[in-house]
Amino acid sequence: DIQMTQSPSSLSASVGDRVTITCRASQSISSYLHWYQQKPGKAPKLLMFGTSSLQSGVPSRFSGSGSGTEFTLTISSLQPEDFATYYCQQSYSSALTFGGGTTVEIK
Amino acid sequence: QVQLQESGPGLVKPSQTLSLTCTVSGGSISSDGHYWSWIRQHPGKGLEWIGYIYYSGSTYYNPSLKSRLTISVDTSNSQFSLKLTSVTAADSAVYFCARRSQSILSYLDVWGQGTTVTVSS
Repeated sequence: DIQMTQSPSSLSASVGDRVTITCRASQSISSYLHWYQQKPGKAPKLLMFGTSSLQSGVPSRFSGSGSGTEFTLTISSLQPEDFATYYCQQSYSSALTFGGGTTVEIK
Repeated sequence: QVQLQESGPGLVKPSQTLSLTCTVSGGSISSDGHYWSWIRQHPGKGLEWIGYIYYSGSTYYNPSLKSRLTISVDTSNSQFSLKLTSVTAADSAVYFCARRSQSILSYLDVWGQGTTVTVSS
């Protein structure tokens, strides 16, 4: 299995802050990396696919970059509705795997 | 707009079989390229992919669950199902169904709301 490691596991930030979350793969996954946002009691929601393509309806303050084994999700100016847990997921392997999640909390 | 809805018992006894169904509405379960997936989330933990099925019946399972897992599809009722045998408390989780996109990138673009399953006597 391809292991996905996210860092940090949690962070505290203020509205308006720039936030960066990192996801590392245990082997190269090309650009087969996707990001999801999950709020408490809700299903995950697709934010970004193929490393840097925004899902329809997702605000442009979200951006993604990377390739190979290291990827980042950046929120350029954190908004109140962005406080949530974020997961990366690889699909390079047919056996899909997720990162452990990064919880973005209010400072 | 495709929507997914999980259904099934919320409580299962240890050693028994966990059975869940996901109903697809607003679109065809037989649409080319989409795979239909199950994912679970243990309490307070991250996401674990369980497996997926194509409308033709072709499946791919998480190797760690493969020996206990069956995913099937009923195209006439636009449903796909999960059966997990010999459950233990470790199988207590929120179970989500999701659609894997047609794209080669294979992201999960539509999710059900999730259903909580507790394994307990």
